Amino acid sequence: KAGVTQTPRYLIKTRGQQVTLSCSPISGHRSVSWYQQTPGQGLQFLFEYFSETQRNKGNFPGRFSGRQFSNSRSEMNVSTLELGDSALYLCASSARGGGHEQFFGPGTRLTVL
Amino acid sequence: QKEVEQNSGPLSVPEGAIASLNCTYSDRGSQSFFWYRQYSGKSPELIMFIYSNGDKEDGRFTAQLNKASQYVSLLIRDSQPSDSATYLCAVSGGSTLGRLYFGRGTQLTVWP
Repeated sequence: KAGVTQTPRYLIKTRGQQVTLSCSPISGHRSVSWYQQTPGQGLQFLFEYFSETQRNKGNFPGRFSGRQFSNSRSEMNVSTLELGDSALYLCASSARGGGHEQFFGPGTRLTVL
Repeated sequence: QKEVEQNSGPLSVPEGAIASLNCTYSDRGSQSFFWYRQYSGKSPELIMFIYSNGDKEDGRFTAQLNKASQYVSLLIRDSQPSDSATYLCAVSGGSTLGRLYFGRGTQLTVWP
């Protein structure tokens, strides 16, 4: 069974631009969660989608948004990029969501200049 | 705000030894506990999960959970140099089911 895929793997943007990241979960998984990882803050939860509905949201500004499609693929958008948004963005796939096992994709490394 | 604390490390053990990684959590409502391994430059990889008090063994790995003490640990027996990585403890449950709270990780080095 194929794992979680994320595109693009690397991205360089400038301040003020916006970016869209994509995640395809493991086949059959309906839950997709997004996390931001930085050396200073570690891994922090952004949001979780299950069957196209956002079920949980972390403490990030409204510039961070997401959505999930009927095929469970998910996108995350960051508008008006700031230097501090430079991070590894990870998507995690889960069959049942909730407190069950989550499997991470390879991540998208975003650099904001 | 839930907190997950891990022993700060770094932890260094010789090949063949037992590596012990510890994690405490603040929310008594937590129900699910996970250990992830992250190699440098890679994404976290799930290696163990435990939901009930007691021990759970999988190969060289044993996860131990004590909900009364709000403590979860990971033991790696017969440590190998390939086990050298950062180990992340994650907790889920209670009012925020669905999101994982991560500790900052413990860096483990296994030297030959």
